[in-house]
Amino acid sequence: KNQVEQSPQSLIILEGKNCTLQCNYTVSPFSNLRWYKQDTGRGPVSLTIMTFSENTKSNGRYTATLDADTKQSSLHITASQLSDSASYICVVGGGLSNFGNEKLTFGTGTRLTIIP
Amino acid sequence: EAQVTQNPRYLITVTGKKLTVTCSQNMNHEYMSWYRQDPGLGLRQIYYSMNVEVTDKGDVPEGYKVSRKEKRNFPLILESPSPNQTSLYFCASSLLGASYEQYFGPGTRLTVT
Repeated sequence: KNQVEQSPQSLIILEGKNCTLQCNYTVSPFSNLRWYKQDTGRGPVSLTIMTFSENTKSNGRYTATLDADTKQSSLHITASQLSDSASYICVVGGGLSNFGNEKLTFGTGTRLTIIP
Repeated sequence: EAQVTQNPRYLITVTGKKLTVTCSQNMNHEYMSWYRQDPGLGLRQIYYSMNVEVTDKGDVPEGYKVSRKEKRNFPLILESPSPNQTSLYFCASSLLGASYEQYFGPGTRLTVT
């Protein structure tokens, strides 16, 4: 069964500090890995999308890494800001649905709280 | 502005009263999908559509219906809502194919009493 596991479930850090969120997956075949940011009560917003051949991708202060051999990814946030308080969801694309398009498997997210 | 819109944003209803949640996108995307999000379970796919008149079940389709008569619209229908359908619902759209970014709507919080 395809699964995406994220750790930690929740994290509290001081404003200005760095942090790293983890994602482990067992999705086969693998196509891509995405990180989303979801503010409370709002829809997820894409941060990065990485394919098999990419092992790092940045979006401002967000840097995602991918190790397709160990099936692990991390999201590193540099110099955190209060606006970074949100849930961060790891999503893995792969496998095929009935119509042959890729299926997305969602993790349950890491709830990040930045305190001043 | 490129966006996915959903209506209503909040809805409280009673068991058995049919309802429809609308979803519309202005990006000419072929692929559209409905998800529900429950605490501790993450986003789970209800139904998806590859194009007009092409729809298929996702992981949790029981109790829901969809239709895709126009490319931009993908309504979610609950014929006889039950309390276990109380959830936060998201519509999403993307271009068809692998690795395309999926754009999510703002969500509809549904409470069934």
